[in-house]
Amino acid sequence: GDSVTQMEGPVTLSEEAFLTINCTYTATGYPSLFWYVQYPGEGLQLLLKATKADDKGSNKGFEATYRKETTSFHLEKGSVQVSDSAVYFCALSDVSVQGAQKLVFGQGTRLTINP
Amino acid sequence: DTAVSQTPKYLVTQMGNDKSIKCEQNLGHDTMYWYKQDSKKFLKIMFSYNNKELIINETVPNRFSPKSPDKAHLNLHINSLELGDSAVYFCASSHLAGGRYEQYFGPGTRLTVT
Repeated sequence: GDSVTQMEGPVTLSEEAFLTINCTYTATGYPSLFWYVQYPGEGLQLLLKATKADDKGSNKGFEATYRKETTSFHLEKGSVQVSDSAVYFCALSDVSVQGAQKLVFGQGTRLTINP
Repeated sequence: DTAVSQTPKYLVTQMGNDKSIKCEQNLGHDTMYWYKQDSKKFLKIMFSYNNKELIINETVPNRFSPKSPDKAHLNLHINSLELGDSAVYFCASSHLAGGRYEQYFGPGTRLTVT
């Protein structure tokens, strides 16, 4: 079945450092790809998405590019802030025969930014 | 306005009890979901309903029974609770549109079975 693999955490960086969180996927179709973020004690929020190859999703200074040739969707940010501390989930969406959207998540990467 | 709401936020109960978690969305979406997040933060889909019809049913014990009285509500009833059911349960909703639409998540219900 479809699967998503993220880099193991936790990741700890200093404020203003460059961030990369790796994400690779395995899928039989052409999934949409997402990054969700979960702040402490909260539910998941969509951070960015890309729906086809070579699309770049971006939001709040974060970016990720849908790379079909390497089956990757790495998350990057040029200068992180303390407020970016959260758990980040890479996910893919595929469609069942009933047309149901099914999100498959990676294991999550906990990011801590120190001042 | 809360888009996807869940009640209760915390639920502590003993093994063998039966409990329910409620979810409501005011986004006008036609599809709703239940996810389970374990202690290691791993998220896995359990069920999905579209317009009150069950469309995704992952390998979940039949002690778990979802119910959708209308397309804005999706409740989760759990019978004979076990220690392993302790987790955070998230409700989500979206449009049914071939995976192109994002899912909106509720704040989660932390279930602790003692």
